[in-house]
Amino acid sequence: QKEVEQNSGPLSVPEGAIASLNCTYSDRGSQSFFWYRQYSGKSPELIMSIYSNGDKEDGRFTAQLNKASQYVSLLIRDSQPSDSATYLCAVNTETSYDKVIFGPGTSLSVIP
Amino acid sequence: DAGITQSPRHKVTETGTPVTLRCHQTENHRYMYWYRQDPGHGLRLIHYSYGVKDTDKGEVSDGYSVSRSKTEDFLLTLESATSSQTSVYFCAISVLGQGSYEQYFGPGTRLTVT
Repeated sequence: QKEVEQNSGPLSVPEGAIASLNCTYSDRGSQSFFWYRQYSGKSPELIMSIYSNGDKEDGRFTAQLNKASQYVSLLIRDSQPSDSATYLCAVNTETSYDKVIFGPGTSLSVIP
Repeated sequence: DAGITQSPRHKVTETGTPVTLRCHQTENHRYMYWYRQDPGHGLRLIHYSYGVKDTDKGEVSDGYSVSRSKTEDFLLTLESATSSQTSVYFCAISVLGQGSYEQYFGPGTRLTVT
């Protein structure tokens, strides 16, 4: 059973701090990794994709990938109350280039 | 919003009745998916489609069927609704991005089976 695991949280950080969200996956053949943000009552929104080991930055967001450790993380710098949401990690499988497995999500609360 | 709409957005139905949810996309995407999202389980794949009349089962397909007679529409049918199918249902499309296929979601349908 291929799995994607995340700390369920809730993770609380003060406004302006760095929020660090972590994800581990079981399929060593996975090549594509995604972070989605989901506000309460809304649909998941893709915010980051990463395919190579290392860091990928987009504004206040940085995704980090370590395939050897089967670990992917999302850092949110200068956290804002509007970042309060559930963050879903998704990983493709070696056998399905278009299908992904989602983690259970980590709830983030940014305290003003 | 990737041009995806879902209907209805909310539905309450009784146990044993058939229910059909519709996903409509306007951008001619080939790949479409149905997920359900439940507390403690995250998003789970029900069925998916690679094109007209080309569908396959996902992780939690029991009690569900799908049809895709046109590229733009992907229908999910609960043949005889049960309380365990109370959930939020999301449709998604897959688009080839810079490095891989990326999924984008519709607004969701909240279904309550009483």
